[in-house]
Amino acid sequence: DTEVTQTPKHLVMGMTNKKSLKCEQHMGHRAMYWYKQKAKKPPELMFVYSYEKLSINESVPSRFSPECPNSSLLNLHLHALQPEDSALYLCASSQDPHRSPSYGYTFGSGTRLTVV
Amino acid sequence: AQTVTQSQPEMSVQEAETVTLSCTYDTSESDYYLFWYKQPPSRQMILVIRQEAYKQQNATENRFSVNFQKAAKSFSLKISDSQLGDAAMYFCAYRSAIETSGSRLTFGEGTQLTVNP
Repeated sequence: DTEVTQTPKHLVMGMTNKKSLKCEQHMGHRAMYWYKQKAKKPPELMFVYSYEKLSINESVPSRFSPECPNSSLLNLHLHALQPEDSALYLCASSQDPHRSPSYGYTFGSGTRLTVV
Repeated sequence: AQTVTQSQPEMSVQEAETVTLSCTYDTSESDYYLFWYKQPPSRQMILVIRQEAYKQQNATENRFSVNFQKAAKSFSLKISDSQLGDAAMYFCAYRSAIETSGSRLTFGEGTQLTVNP
């Protein structure tokens, strides 16, 4: 298995809803990431988990809450979002570059989120 | 902080021709990784090619090759024999080699490549 799987692919939610995005990988990668991407822009880093511990939080508003229950799974819990939070949310994973000669980041196909 | 610059917002190429996408970066580090990612309308970011800064030899993957000029901090992507399926947004990205795991990718603004039949 060489994929990062994200569900759902599309999500429409109201500003008072609570929803979660899910990301899963079975490549043994020990770092996992959430990125937010607006149309025709590069991805912006939100959170990094390294060995299941949150290592980077890019000053993301608390209405986004990440969770890493185990080394294969990454969730992003959403609550009280704003319309400007509408975007493509990408999950990625990577190996430790010092342990893998074929180092690279593997991205999922994203969740297209619309906040109404 | 590192920055990555892609000076060509849009490029076009005729099918079967060759095109070169430009990327420059700024860093004070001596060891790092550089990547080119492709993002077609299907949304998934696909790794095209990777270059380790300590390697002088330019990376090559089939029709894709890079021209890595470390002193000039330049990392261009050449696509030979362009195909319709190469049409996508291409992002250049930088990653420090200092951190062992869970490090950020710094992306350029992207170049939208159109392939004309």
